[in-house]
Amino acid sequence: AQSVTQLGSHVSVSEGALVLLRCNYSSSVPPYLFWYVQYPNQGLQLLLKYTSAATLVKGINGFEAEFKKSETSFHLTKPSAHMSDAAEYFCAVSVVQGAGSYQLTFGKGTKLSVIP
Amino acid sequence: NAGVTQTPKFRILKIGQSMTLQCAQDMNHNYMYWYRQDPGMGLKLIYYSVGAGITDKGEVPNGYNVSRSTTEDFPLRLELAAPSQTSVYFCASSHDGVAGGRTDTQYFGPGTRLTVL
Repeated sequence: AQSVTQLGSHVSVSEGALVLLRCNYSSSVPPYLFWYVQYPNQGLQLLLKYTSAATLVKGINGFEAEFKKSETSFHLTKPSAHMSDAAEYFCAVSVVQGAGSYQLTFGKGTKLSVIP
Repeated sequence: NAGVTQTPKFRILKIGQSMTLQCAQDMNHNYMYWYRQDPGMGLKLIYYSVGAGITDKGEVPNGYNVSRSTTEDFPLRLELAAPSQTSVYFCASSHDGVAGGRTDTQYFGPGTRLTVL
């Protein structure tokens, strides 16, 4: 079964420091992977997605993620954290559910705190 | 476009009561979803729909029911509320892209926070 594992339920970084949020996947077929962000008291919104077109994917707000098949990873990075990046981040994989349709299976999330 | 809207924003129920969580989207998306979010557990799929009149169970369907009579609306029904249903509920929708929606972006509503006492 396809799944994702997010390492670290809570990550703290200083403003201006590198952000690295880890996601590893388990899949017997080429996966389609997503990162979503949830700001406090809001719904989720898409940051970026990997659809096999390019291994380095650029998203919104300066985030990017690199698909590494050899490491079964899809880690999310941003060179310089901003206070507005404080949120919860979810990695997800697209999984076939039934009748040929695909649904998202989410990781447990990583809450990012940014320290001034 | 309003996107995905959900009502109510908050609700407190007593054990055994029933209620319907409303969800509507104005993007003409065929696919719609209901998730629940519990602290530290990510999002779990309750039910989904690939079009009007077609619904199917997700990972955690017990205690819930859905219907989809129009493309726009996808209400979630709780028949006999239990404390285990205390959660934040999110509705989402996506365009039915290629390959059964494998690479679709899902658009989420703002959520309904439900407490069952």
